[in-house]
Amino acid sequence: GAVVSQHPSWVICKSGTSVKIECRSLDFQATTMFWYRQFPKQSLMLMATSNEGSKATYEQGVEKDKFLINHASLTLSTLTVTSAHPEDSSFYICSARDIGGPGYGYTFGSGTRLTVV
Amino acid sequence: DAKTTQPPSMDCAEGRAANLPCNHSTISGNEYVYWYRQIHSQGPQYIIHGLKNNETNEMASLIITEDRKSSTLILPHATLRDTAVYYCIVRVGAGNQFYFGTGTSLTVIP
Repeated sequence: GAVVSQHPSWVICKSGTSVKIECRSLDFQATTMFWYRQFPKQSLMLMATSNEGSKATYEQGVEKDKFLINHASLTLSTLTVTSAHPEDSSFYICSARDIGGPGYGYTFGSGTRLTVV
Repeated sequence: DAKTTQPPSMDCAEGRAANLPCNHSTISGNEYVYWYRQIHSQGPQYIIHGLKNNETNEMASLIITEDRKSSTLILPHATLRDTAVYYCIVRVGAGNQFYFGTGTSLTVIP
C-alpha cells in the first residue's frame, strides 16, 4: 500500500535556528500533500496544503513566512520552521493522497517531534 | 472546521466489540465518512470509509444511519493494540483537506 515517509522522526534545535522536515511519498506520486501540527493531548490541526509546482495554501492563522513549504517534486514536500522558538515545539505530521489507495488514499507519515530549546 | 461530534473517551473489555459513535448532522449528500485512528506518537492510520451503505473490511465495520447524520465504527473483537484515539472525519475542504475533530480515546482493558 501507499507509504509516506517523514524525516527526521525527531529533532531538537536551538531557539532562533531553522529546521527542515521532509515528507516523501515512497511508491506513488502525490500532487498534493498536507501538513498538520499536533500539540500534546490535542487533535491534529491542518496547517497548509502543499501543491506540487505551486505555492502552498495556508490555513487561517498559520504564518506562511514562518512555516515555509516547498513541493518541488511529485514525491517530496518539505516544511521548514524558520527562527524556531519553544512555542513551535510540537508534533508535525504530513499526509499525501494516492488516488489509487484505500479511503481515497489519504496516507499519513509517522510524524516528526520537534523540540526547540 | 470539523463537523463531527464524538465522545471524548470510551473503555472496552478485551475481546468484546467496541462501538464508537459519531454524530455528523450537517453532512452533505456527497461527503464521505472516514475513520482513522492514532496510536500514541504515531501518524493517523486509515481504518474505513463510507458514503451511504454499511461497509466492512478486515479491521472494522462502519454503520451509517439512513439519514446519514450519524455513524458507528465497530471493532468486532477489541485487542489491547486497538487502544488509540479514533477520529471520525466528514469534512473535506475544497482542496480535499481533512479537518480533524477531537476524536474518541478508546482504552481496551484486559
